[in-house]
Formats: sequence, C-alpha cells, structure tokens
Amino acid sequence: AQSVTQPDIHITVSEGASLELRCNYSYGATPYLFWYVQSPGQGLQLLLKYFSGDTLVQGIKGFEAEFKRSQSSFNLRKPSVHWSDAAEYFCAVGARAAGNKLTFGGGTRVLVKP
Amino acid sequence: DVKVTQSSRYLVKRTGEKVFLECVQDMDHENMFWYRQDPGLGLRLIYFSYDVKMKEKGDIPEGYSVSREKKERFSLILESASTNQTSMYLCASSSLSGASYEQYFGPGTRLTVT
Repeated sequence: AQSVTQPDIHITVSEGASLELRCNYSYGATPYLFWYVQSPGQGLQLLLKYFSGDTLVQGIKGFEAEFKRSQSSFNLRKPSVHWSDAAEYFCAVGARAAGNKLTFGGGTRVLVKP
Repeated sequence: DVKVTQSSRYLVKRTGEKVFLECVQDMDHENMFWYRQDPGLGLRLIYFSYDVKMKEKGDIPEGYSVSREKKERFSLILESASTNQTSMYLCASSSLSGASYEQYFGPGTRLTVT
C-alpha cells in the first residue's frame, strides 16, 4: 500500500524568506506525486504534479518541487514567501496500479511572520 | 474551469440524525470521491465512484454510505450521525481520460454533530 509522510506539522517562516516543505512517500512502483494547498476555509488547489520526465517541477504561485527517487522524496520549495502563502499544504501520491485514488499526507501548516 | 460544488459549507446535526452531503461537478468527470479531513490526519478516503451506480469503499467507510444516480452528482450519507463524525468533508472529482489523476476539490462541508 502507498503512504505519504509529511514530517513537519507546523512551519513558521518570515515573509521574504525561503520555504521548504518535506514529503516522503512509500510505493513500490513509479508514483504520481502532487502538492495541494488549502487556504483557510477553502478546498484544495493543485500547486504542481509530477508524472515523469524532468524531476524538477514548476507550479503555480512560484512553487517548485523536486522528485528524488533514491530518497523517495518530493519536497516543495519557494524562494521567497509572501504573507498570502500562509495555508496548509498537502502532499499526495497516486499510481496507475492504484487506479485513480490518491493517498494524502497529514499536511503541513505554514505560518508567515511579517 | 472545473467546478465542484458542495451543498452546504456548514452543517450542524444531532446525534442519530440521517445526514446527506451533496456534491456536484460540472466537467463530466467519471470519478468522484468523498474524503474527511481531520487535523494531523490529512485527507482520508471514505468512498469513491468511477461510474454511475458504481462505488467502492475507501479507507474509512464505516458509518457512511454513498449514492451516485447521475454522473455529475455524488452523495455521502451518514445513516445515524455520531459525534465522532464531526469533521470537514471534502468532495473531489477526476477524469479517466489521459494520464492525469489530478483531483479537483469542492470547498468542503464542515459538519458538527452534537
């Protein structure tokens, strides 16, 4: 069975500083990987996804993520955080063998200090 | 733009009541999903459907049932609501075509059972 771990429950970062959110997955085959963001009171919005090819993926809102097969990781990064990036971030894994189901991590809540 | 709507943003019900949560998507997606979201646990899959009248149990189906009579509508039913079903409920949909497993989410229904 596939699983996703987001080791950091909360992260506090100053506005303008860089941000990195960690995601580790467990799955035997080639995974499909996603990062979603949930702003307060809203549903989840897709930031970026990895299926194959270039392991560095660019997403919306200035985010990027790097797939590292050897480390089973898909960490999310942003060079300079804005106050509007305060939200909860979820990593998810899917796979062709699992049909269309996704498995989500526990989420990381990001607080941005002025 | 894909739109997934949920019938209520907030709902308060009493223990033992039958509760219906409705979800509608407007992109002709084959797959629809119901998740519950709890702090620290991320999103957990309750049920999903890959076609009209078809359903499969997710990871936590106990205490829930679903109905999909039309392609665009997927209902989650709590036959007899209990306080441990107080949670945020998120609906999502995705397409079978192409290789994308991206799921599109509704805004969520925050259910409180008293």
